[in-house]
Amino acid sequence: NAGVTQTPKFQVLKTGQSMTLQCAQDMNHNSMYWYRQDPGMGLRLIYYSASEGTTDKGEVPNGYNVSRLNKREFSLRLESAAPSQTSVYFCASSPNAGALLGEQYFGPGTRLTVT
Amino acid sequence: GEDVEQSLFLSVREGDSSVINCTYTDSSSTYLYWYKQEPGAGLQLLTYIFSNMDMKQDQRLTVLLNKKDKHLSLRIADTQTGDSAIYFCAESGTDSWGKLQFGAGTQVVVTP
Repeated sequence: NAGVTQTPKFQVLKTGQSMTLQCAQDMNHNSMYWYRQDPGMGLRLIYYSASEGTTDKGEVPNGYNVSRLNKREFSLRLESAAPSQTSVYFCASSPNAGALLGEQYFGPGTRLTVT
Repeated sequence: GEDVEQSLFLSVREGDSSVINCTYTDSSSTYLYWYKQEPGAGLQLLTYIFSNMDMKQDQRLTVLLNKKDKHLSLRIADTQTGDSAIYFCAESGTDSWGKLQFGAGTQVVVTP
């Protein structure tokens, strides 16, 4: 049981390049989330998927797109990277239904630098 | 939107108690949470409290909630070097589908 896995762990992009961050969970959770973590700002929600087949914007969605490929996988795409997107990105999942609302399980993060 | 505020840094000596404070603004929050982030890792749920409770104790952890003042605190008794981490306070409303609003995090450094 690997929990929540993210790839890659580190990435350096040039301004304007695109990339997709991958996330998968093996806990049969309904909900999945993408956050970014910046110094002094905590975690900010980018997008979330309450259940398979649905996605919704969070607090800071501009410059990002997501795909809930199936119940296990939730990817985050940067179409044209900007230096302001330099951050640590965390994927999380939550069982939600019948469980403690707000109990989320986090992946180890992807450290992204855009030059 | 909702705001969750925490002090950014706390230094404590090994064996002492640590108290981390948090204020929040969303009065509809059903649960309030404390998450812990160790260096280079993702967040882990440490403990939580339901909004109709004043206090919750879990081994070395004590959570106090003052709903009138919208103030939450986490007390760690007998702080150990392994408690060095960033601690995040978070709230969830009643209709947020499990979405959380996080504070900026409090970096706790435990010195010998």
